[in-house]
Amino acid sequence: GESVGLHLPTLSVQEGDNSIINCAYSNSASDYFIWYKQESGKGPQFIIDIRSNMDKRQGQRVTVLLNKTVKHLSLQIAATQPGDSAVYFCAEKKDNQGGKLIFGQGTELSVKP
Amino acid sequence: DVKVTQSSRYLVKRTGEKVFLECVQDMDHENMFWYRQDPGLGLRLIYFSYDVKMKEKGDIPEGYSVSREKKERFSLILESASTNQTSMYLCASSLARDHGYTFGSGTRLTVV
Repeated sequence: GESVGLHLPTLSVQEGDNSIINCAYSNSASDYFIWYKQESGKGPQFIIDIRSNMDKRQGQRVTVLLNKTVKHLSLQIAATQPGDSAVYFCAEKKDNQGGKLIFGQGTELSVKP
Repeated sequence: DVKVTQSSRYLVKRTGEKVFLECVQDMDHENMFWYRQDPGLGLRLIYFSYDVKMKEKGDIPEGYSVSREKKERFSLILESASTNQTSMYLCASSLARDHGYTFGSGTRLTVV
């Protein structure tokens, strides 16, 4: 069935290094993708989004890459900081589903000092 | 910034009780959603609403109902709480169907 999945459930990086969190999706009809960050005990927080007519979008210290050929989405965090430790979710949206987001399972990012 | 407020951070209820979880957003968003989040299962959509007095079932509506009498408020109702409804409940809203969601801080419900 359709799903949004993550390659790795956990990721540990050294403070100051770059982090890459990956996400695979199965439906080529998806046209909108979002990354969320969820800290312990809090609700998911919007990080960055990208539409299917783009390959790359940059924010502050974050970049999202979309590869539609292989149905792959990634989140890159530059100079990872302890405050980046959280669970990161990707989500996809398809127009034919009335705007509902479908969430992946999440990757837990742990930043070592 | 859009704010989505869930009335309770933590709730403990007894089996069989009727439980109301309240969610209010302050930016005139059209769409509102209720999810539950469980370890290993991710976020699962319970109900959603694209307009006042309108509701649609999500992926796991059984045991739940919702109410949207006003645009800014979306309530989740557990008609008769059961222990398998112990979970983190997240409310979200979005401006339109092609926009992302803003989430509330969540309500951690424990049913004993």
